[in-house]
Parts: sequence; C-alpha cells; structure tokens
Amino acid sequence: EVQVLESGGGLEQPGGSLRLSCAASGFTFSTYGMSWVRQAPGKGLEWVSTIGGGGSSVYYADSVKGRFTISRDNSKNTLYLQMKSVRAEDTAVYYCAQGGYNLWFDAWGQGTLVTVSS
Amino acid sequence: EIVLTQSPVTLSLSPGERATLSCRASQSVSNYLAWYQQKPGQAPRLLIYDASNRATGIPARFSGSGSGTDFTLTISSLEPEDFAVYYCQQRSNWPRTFGQGTRVEIK
Repeated sequence: EVQVLESGGGLEQPGGSLRLSCAASGFTFSTYGMSWVRQAPGKGLEWVSTIGGGGSSVYYADSVKGRFTISRDNSKNTLYLQMKSVRAEDTAVYYCAQGGYNLWFDAWGQGTLVTVSS
Repeated sequence: EIVLTQSPVTLSLSPGERATLSCRASQSVSNYLAWYQQKPGQAPRLLIYDASNRATGIPARFSGSGSGTDFTLTISSLEPEDFAVYYCQQRSNWPRTFGQGTRVEIK
C-alpha cells in the first residue's frame, strides 16, 4: 500500500525557518516525482514545488521561489521542504503527494499544519 | 500561468440528482487535466486523470470529459458521500495549477 506521511509542521515566527519531511513507503520511491501542495485555512489547493525522481529537476511556485527548497533522500525514501524567511501567508496545511512531475498527484499524506505568526 | 476557472462555485443538489461541474482553462491543456475530491479534514483524492480516465477504485458514477480548454466532471447520481469540494488541476505547463474548487452541497 502506498503511504506518505508528513512531519515537521508547527508554529514559527515570521522570518524564521522550518523543515518539513515526508516519509514514503509502498512504492519504488526513486522512480517517482514528488510534490508539496498547500492549503491555507478555508482556501483552495496551491501547488508549491515538485522534484523529479533523481532529484535534479526541481520546480517552484513563484510565491515560494528563493525561499523554499525541495529535496529528497532516495536512500531514506524521504522528501523534504526547507522553508526559510517564512511569512504569514505561508500559513497552511502542507501536503506531500506522490507525482506532479510527469504524473498526477496520486497519493497524498494527511498533511502537516504550518502556522506563521508572532 | 494557466488559470483554471471552475463553475459554479457552489452546487446545491439532492441525493440521486446529477451533478455537472465545469472547469475552463485560460489556454489549451490538451487532455492534461485531473479532478480531485476533498472532504472536510481530509486530503484530496484523485478521481479522474487525463480528462476522462477514472482513477483506481473510483465508482463508475464519476465521469470526465473535454479537451483543450473546456472540461466537465459529471456525477450521474449523487450518493451521500459525494457531497464535497471538487478541484480541477492541469499538468500541461509549469506551474501546476488548480481551479478554485466547486462545493457540492446537500440541498
């Protein structure tokens, strides 16, 4: 069974940093692109970033470019999102999703809440 | 950036009725369009991919159609568990984009 499980969310002050992790199982992790999608409270879905299976192809939404870095460790079946210079508008549930590179978002985690507030 | 516009924003229907949801793209996405269902407190779930293919385990009452810029998700006969928010999404271009969602609520 395909599973992805996010962790690392919490409360952070504006300008601070946070690293999200996503542990994957049930599929050959290195052969799948992986993505982060977020959802602000009461709002719709917003794609954040995607990384190819090998890790060399990365894509970002303009809203996070230069502040967030997506990466992966295929030896640990884990996806990361390093968040720097966070802003109040980054407050959202962050979902890890299998796919997004050349496939659809086919398996989603339960999400981890990031709150940016002083 | 490809903008996806969904209509209506809210659809009020009764169980057993047919639901028709629309998604319009600001430029052609060919058939690179998917539909997701999201229930309160849950992650989204892939329903339809490549405009018209049902994802694994999705009931036959869900169907998708369209290509280019105009797409439709149809639920032939609403079941109680179908009342949720539905999003369309394109992967024709970067950035990947979602529509703003259509809420299907019980009338």
